[in-house]
Amino acid sequence: GQNIDQPTEMTATEGAIVQINCTYQTSGFNGLFWYQQHAGEAPTFLSYNVLDGLEEKGRFSSFLSRSKGYSYLLLKELQMKDSASYLCAVRDSNYQLIWGAGTKLIIKP
Amino acid sequence: ETGVTQTPRHLVMGMTNKKSLKCEQHLGHNAMYWYKQSAKKPLELMFVYSLEERVENNSVPSRFSPECPNSSHLFLHLHTLQPEDSALYLCASSQDQSDLPYEQYFGPGTRLTVT
Repeated sequence: GQNIDQPTEMTATEGAIVQINCTYQTSGFNGLFWYQQHAGEAPTFLSYNVLDGLEEKGRFSSFLSRSKGYSYLLLKELQMKDSASYLCAVRDSNYQLIWGAGTKLIIKP
Repeated sequence: ETGVTQTPRHLVMGMTNKKSLKCEQHLGHNAMYWYKQSAKKPLELMFVYSLEERVENNSVPSRFSPECPNSSHLFLHLHTLQPEDSALYLCASSQDQSDLPYEQYFGPGTRLTVT
């Protein structure tokens, strides 16, 4: 079966750096997405990786290793507003998105 | 209105009721999706429409019936639901649901409670 694994919850301190990991086993691979979802709100797109390596976008970076079935989202200079759930999703060989359950990130002052 | 809108935002219904969820996208996209989001579970894709044709139906019970009258509107008709159907129902749209890496844009969701 297809599976996306992410930690259920993480806690970090304002101003620090946090890395949220995602591992996947899917039938084929056509890209990996990270979304942010604040409580009670819609998920919003953060990043997309299809080739190995690091994609940087301001305070957020996303890394992909296709051979390891692994990605991480790196958040720097954490702010209170970064408290949210972070969803990892992989597009499989049928171009269907397979979603992880999300990682709830709690930022403490 | 911009982006993806959904109405109602909250809905409480009995198991014998019939109700409909509405989604509208103002982004010029040609693919639309219904998802179910339950606490601590992955997003579950329910239906996909591309160019107003249904292209995916992930074994969703017949008590959920989608309708896509045009590329901007999507409905989810509900009847004789079960308490386990209580969840957040999210609508999303994208430029296409094929091989291009277009991200999906989500609406705020309808919080459904079945009593």
